[in-house]
Amino acid sequence: EDQVTQSPEALRLQEGESSSLNCSYTVSGLRGLFWYRQDPGKGPEFLFTLYSAGEEKEKERLKATLTKKESFLHITAPKPEDSATYLCAVLPYNTDKLIFGTGTRLQVFP
Amino acid sequence: DTEVTQTPKHLVMGMTNKKSLKCEQHMGHRAMYWYKQKAKKPPELMFVYSYEKLSINESVPSRFSPECPNSSLLNLHLHALQPEDSALYLCASSPGLDGSYEQYFGPGTRLTVT
Repeated sequence: EDQVTQSPEALRLQEGESSSLNCSYTVSGLRGLFWYRQDPGKGPEFLFTLYSAGEEKEKERLKATLTKKESFLHITAPKPEDSATYLCAVLPYNTDKLIFGTGTRLQVFP
Repeated sequence: DTEVTQTPKHLVMGMTNKKSLKCEQHMGHRAMYWYKQKAKKPPELMFVYSYEKLSINESVPSRFSPECPNSSLLNLHLHALQPEDSALYLCASSPGLDGSYEQYFGPGTRLTVT
């Protein structure tokens, strides 16, 4: 069964304190792995797509990496405006249905 | 431009009302989606349209009725809803081909059923 597990469930960081969010997945065939940021009451905002093991993508303070079993979202020197829920999702082959993890709620304090 | 628009932003309806949610994208995307999201949960897929045809229905109750009038528009018709249907309803679209499968979400419609 295709499945996505995110950890930790919640993370509190001091401003400037770098950390990583984990997304572990099992899927019959991976067409793509996606990271989204979601602010309360708003739609998810697309961040990255990763397609194959070893791939890395960067955007400002965020860097996403992919292995055959998991993905990491590294946050370098976070700021309070990085506070949000970060969602990971996988797209198996032969379907349009994304499999979402339950998300990591990140809070960054000044 | 990767914008998906949704109207209305907020909707309050009684259990006997009929209302519709509207979604629009002008990116030429092949696939359009409806999701339901409850607080502190990930989005839950309801329907997928591919090339304007319904391709996935996740066993959604018939009080939710999707419609895709053309390649840019997606509607969700609501009738005789229950209080437990109160949630954030999200629309998304995706190129869905040529190695480009990311989904772009709209801002959502906050639905309250009284």
